[in-house]
Amino acid sequence: QVQLVESGGAVAQPGTSLRLSCAASGFTFGLHGMHWIRQAPGKGLEWVAVFSYDEEETKYYADSVKGRFTISRDNIKNTLFLQMDSLRPEDTAVYYCAKGNYYESGTYYILENWGQGTLVTVSS
Amino acid sequence: IVMTQSPDSLALSLGERATINCKSSQSVFYSLENKDYLTWYQQIPGQPPKLLISWASIRESGVPERFSGSGSGTDFTLTISGLQAEDVAVYYCHQYYNTPPTFGQGTKVE
Repeated sequence: QVQLVESGGAVAQPGTSLRLSCAASGFTFGLHGMHWIRQAPGKGLEWVAVFSYDEEETKYYADSVKGRFTISRDNIKNTLFLQMDSLRPEDTAVYYCAKGNYYESGTYYILENWGQGTLVTVSS
Repeated sequence: IVMTQSPDSLALSLGERATINCKSSQSVFYSLENKDYLTWYQQIPGQPPKLLISWASIRESGVPERFSGSGSGTDFTLTISGLQAEDVAVYYCHQYYNTPPTFGQGTKVE
């Protein structure tokens, strides 16, 4: 069965960096676009970033994190990463990784499976 | 694309029907594929979201038949026919018509 296990969440000071990881198993990792989504405490869902499944290695980011966060993946180790730099208090959230659907009708943005999430708290 | 759900919360009795609406600020129907690029997720308290319905009306494997999705273009509905105790959750609609994909604010079902 599909398993996604996030790690790396911590308490960080504003302006510092964190790196999140998502270990994937139970599916062919390299065939799926992979996403990060976050949820601030008591709030709704916000999509953060995606890394495509194909050789073009397309990456897209939410405007709120563009230029500060970098998504990457290791298809050998079946792991997704999120490098978070210049952290701000508003980045405080549970960060989920999610597996996108197998490419269909021009999209891999259906979030089929989610991990349990890892909590990032940005505070001085 | 801004996704707006109504109502924000819903309090019902067991066995009643729950109706959650989702409106997008622009159409999420892609005519070349003849599909609406919209999903519904369920988030039970303390758990990650779970995919219920994709393409506006296609129920995921294992999702009970009491969950159904309808609508097209800019107006969509999630219906839970015969509410069960385990359906207490927050429900989100989500458009993947373009990037960035966006979620509704959520509807809490109690």
